[in-house]
Amino acid sequence: KQEVTQIPAALSVPEGENLVLNCSFTDSAIYNLQWFRQDPGKGLTSLLLIQSSQREQTSGRLNASLDKSSGRSTLYIAASQPGDSATYLCALNQAGTALIFGKGTTLSVSS
Amino acid sequence: EAQVTQNPRYLITVTGKKLTVTCSQNMNHEYMSWYRQDPGLGLRQIYYSMNVEVTDKGDVPEGYKVSRKEKRNFPLILESPSPNQTSLYFCASSPRAGLNNSPLHFGNGTRLTVT
Repeated sequence: KQEVTQIPAALSVPEGENLVLNCSFTDSAIYNLQWFRQDPGKGLTSLLLIQSSQREQTSGRLNASLDKSSGRSTLYIAASQPGDSATYLCALNQAGTALIFGKGTTLSVSS
Repeated sequence: EAQVTQNPRYLITVTGKKLTVTCSQNMNHEYMSWYRQDPGLGLRQIYYSMNVEVTDKGDVPEGYKVSRKEKRNFPLILESPSPNQTSLYFCASSPRAGLNNSPLHFGNGTRLTVT
């Protein structure tokens, strides 16, 4: 059964730092991988979607990579800002019917 | 504005009293799904629907029902709620079944408390 692990569970950084969030998975047979952001009391917002044939996707200060062979994905956030404070979730589409979520990394960026 | 709308946002009820959480999307999406989010367990899928009149169980369907009579609506029904169904519920939709090329769009969530 696919397992998705996100480490660390929580991360605190000062404003301006570049940071990397990690996501690992046990089964490389996936269709795609998505990174989401969740703010307290709110729903999930899709940040980036990487197809299984792709190596990375970029959107503004965010860059997500995918290495299926090693079962890893990273979300790189450049020049972090207090507004980036949120929980970041990675999710795998394995069978086309559901996303399998990690438990998330809660990021706090201090000014 | 393209969105997934859930109602209510907050609900407190008592054990055994039937309730329905509504979900509606205005993007003509084929795929819709319900998740619950619990501390330490993350997000788990309850039910999903590939299209009108097509529904199927997710990982944790016990105690829940759904229907998909029209494309835009996908209500979640708890016939006899129990305290272990206290959770944060999310409805989500995607343009096509298979979730291959499009991200999943989520509603803002419904926080349910069953006493």
